Amino acid sequence: DGGITQSPKYLFRKEGQNVTLSCEQNLNHDAMYWYRQDPGQGLRLIYYSQIVNDFQKGDIAEGYSVSREKKESFPLTVTSAQKNPTAFYLCASSIGVAALSNQPQHFGDGTRLSIL
Amino acid sequence: EDKVVQSPLSLVVHEGDTVTLNCSYEVTNFRSLLWYKQEKKAPTFLFMLTSSGIEKKSGRLSSILDKKELSSILNITATQTGDSAIYLCAVVSLGAGNKLTFGGGTRVLVKP
Repeated sequence: DGGITQSPKYLFRKEGQNVTLSCEQNLNHDAMYWYRQDPGQGLRLIYYSQIVNDFQKGDIAEGYSVSREKKESFPLTVTSAQKNPTAFYLCASSIGVAALSNQPQHFGDGTRLSIL
Repeated sequence: EDKVVQSPLSLVVHEGDTVTLNCSYEVTNFRSLLWYKQEKKAPTFLFMLTSSGIEKKSGRLSSILDKKELSSILNITATQTGDSAIYLCAVVSLGAGNKLTFGGGTRVLVKP
């Protein structure tokens, strides 16, 4: 079945540590996105990528980094510079760029990150 | 800065009641408005609205967009306990890589 797979489901970070969240999709979607969700809040965009080897900062990119070396993969690294990383992280993908596509984003099941 | 506001923040109803959720937005270059349902994990897509005044319907759920008022409503009739979830509204703006701006969500609890 086609879909978006995020791993791990739960992740704990120690002080000063970088951690990487995985996101893989087999939907052949061009665009991929990372969101952060805090309790009682909506989703906020961290980074997005419209095509392989290209990505753009979202609204809250500080303390995060991404790469897009393959179409199906868009890993997110939460660096030690992110001082408040505890949140629910959601990865999404969509068929294409806004000008050519009016298709919804589809989401993975998320990774819950906590501080040790 | 694009902004999406949902109301109410939360509500509690009993099975069989009708629920109306509101979403208002201020965005540049509006393209479409989406509704998602989030239970425990991934938001699942409900509706995409691009044209004003055309109701989209799926079972007991329906939604309509009013571009003049910059708002949308999501209705749920004959609610069931399985409708308990957070309902998220998001707006896509042109020229931003199909980027979604989300509202804070409305938490709905349906009691038996």
